[in-house]
Amino acid sequence: AQSVTQPDIHITVSEGASLELRCNYSYGATPYLFWYVQSPGQGLQLLLKYFSGDTLVQGIKGFEAEFKRSQSSFNLRKPSVHWSDAAEYFCAVATSRGYSTLTFGKGTMLLVSP
Amino acid sequence: DTAVSQTPKYLVTQMGNDKSIKCEQNLGHDTMYWYKQDSKKFLKIMFSYNNKELIINETVPNRFSPKSPDKAHLNLHINSLELGDSAVYFCASSQGDGSYGYTFGSGTRLTVV
Repeated sequence: AQSVTQPDIHITVSEGASLELRCNYSYGATPYLFWYVQSPGQGLQLLLKYFSGDTLVQGIKGFEAEFKRSQSSFNLRKPSVHWSDAAEYFCAVATSRGYSTLTFGKGTMLLVSP
Repeated sequence: DTAVSQTPKYLVTQMGNDKSIKCEQNLGHDTMYWYKQDSKKFLKIMFSYNNKELIINETVPNRFSPKSPDKAHLNLHINSLELGDSAVYFCASSQGDGSYGYTFGSGTRLTVV
């Protein structure tokens, strides 16, 4: 079965600084990979996804992520963080064969300091 | 237009009661899901339906019974509620195997007292 690890429970970044959130997955073949964001009291919004092709994917709100097969990673990046980016970020994986469901990591809470 | 809508948004009830959460999607997706988010924000799949048929049923107590009257609706009925059922329940939908991602509802916060 597939699994996802987000090693950082909390990250604090100064406004305007760059951001990288880590995600490692476990799956035997090439997975489908996703990043979602959850603002307090809200549902989950899809930021970006990878399932084939270019390993650097662009998403909404200025986010990007890079799939690295050799490291089983799919890290999320943003060059300049805004205070409104403070939220919980979830990495998720789905298998690429047949019906499966999204398996989520435990999330990383991003705090933005002035 | 809300793509995936859940009702109610908040639900406070006593132990032992039976309650339902409704979910509707207007995206034309053929697959719907229920996820449970616990107090530590961990999201775990409960059920998955494709074209009204149950395709995934994780280890969930049989007090939880999903029902899909058509592919646009997936309701969750919970019998004999327990304190441990307190959580946020998310409905989601996708097209086919979900390779393009899921669209989530805004969640139902269930509190059992």
